[in-house]
Order: sequence, then structure tokens, then C-alpha cells
Amino acid sequence: NAGVTQTPKFQVLKTGQSMTLQCAQDMNHEYMSWYRQDPGMGLRLIHYSVGAGITDQGEVPNGYNVSRSTTEDFPLRLLSAAPSQTSVYFCASSYSKRQRKNDEQYFGPGTRLTVT
Amino acid sequence: TQLLEQSPQFLSIQEGENLTVYCNSSSVFSSLQWYRQEPGEGPVLLVTVVTGGEVKKLKRLTFQFGDARKDSSLHITAAQPGDTGLYLCAGFSSNTGKLIFGQGTTLQVKP
Repeated sequence: NAGVTQTPKFQVLKTGQSMTLQCAQDMNHEYMSWYRQDPGMGLRLIHYSVGAGITDQGEVPNGYNVSRSTTEDFPLRLLSAAPSQTSVYFCASSYSKRQRKNDEQYFGPGTRLTVT
Repeated sequence: TQLLEQSPQFLSIQEGENLTVYCNSSSVFSSLQWYRQEPGEGPVLLVTVVTGGEVKKLKRLTFQFGDARKDSSLHITAAQPGDTGLYLCAGFSSNTGKLIFGQGTTLQVKP
């Protein structure tokens, strides 16, 4: 199993450009999520999905869109990139559709995004 | 808003020393997880504690969940350079069904 994969590894965008960060998992996990990681702020939840066709907002959803057409894929779209979106983005998945206290989150390797 | 405060944020020690990282909140959590993240990679789960007062050991790492389930600690005995990394605590709230992450503690162990 490849686990959770993310592409690209690095990306530089100009302000106003749009792009899609790709995330895929081959563990047949129901729950998938996107986090951003900024220095001194830990991981903050952007959007999450409890299964194909179902998505919801997390703590910091503004400026981002998601969709979940298959169990495996959960892309994150930046509609009009801003310097404040410079960050490291992590995709994660876990087995249960409804999160339980013992659930392990499996993280991808991350995408480092710089917006100039 | 539920918050998890980790301390210290940075720790640089010599190989062989002991250290403790703390994770504190005013909120009660159903469980507390500790993750370790190496540069250029995603976090990887080390342990989950679910019962107040619970202690779990993973080789030289000892994890404890506070009696009131509001805090946790990670103690490393005789640190090794391979322990270098970012340590993240994450609390699970049954009310929201979400994980709340602390800011992280960056540990550097010098040979």
C-alpha cells in the first residue's frame, strides 16, 4: 500500500492564480481531511469528508474548495491564491466515517506552497 | 474554542539527557494522541491515551494522560539523535468529533 499520497511536493504561485492540490489514499478509508501547518500554530483543519459525495468545512475553510467524487481522492482547490495561504498542506485519512477517539490519522508527506 | 498549549515550543539537548514535553488545556478530551513529524514528512502516530491517569510506554518514551483528561505529558529517557523531530499532541473532542492539535514542540538532540 502506498498509504496517503500528495502531489505536488512543492509549488510556487503568484497572487490570484488558482491550483489544485491532489490527495489520494489506497486504504479504503472513509474519512479524509486537509490541514494546513504554519509555524507556531500546529495543524488546522481546512475541510473534511466522511465519504464520497460528502464534504464539510473545518476551522479555516475560506479560500479553499474540496470535492469527493471517489473514496480514494480528495483534491483541495485554491480559488485565487493569496500570500496568507503560504503554508504546508497535509492530507490525512482515517478508517471510520464518524471519527472515534481511538482513530489514527494517516498523513501524506505534505505540499509546501508559496504564494508571492 | 478548545485549545491545546504545548510547552516548551523548542528544546535543544545533548544525547543522553531526559526531557518532558507538556500538553495542556482547559477543556476535557475523550482521548489524547501524540504524533511525531520529521522534516519533509507528515506526522506519524506514536500513541493514543484514552483513560484519565493512563500511562503508556513506547521504549524510552512514556506518555501520561492527566486524571481530569485535560492534559498530557511525554517523557523521553536518555534521548538519542534519532528522537529529533516535531512532537504534536492532539485532543479528540466527542462533542465536535474533531481532533484539536497543539502548536508542536521541536526537539533537537545533539550527539
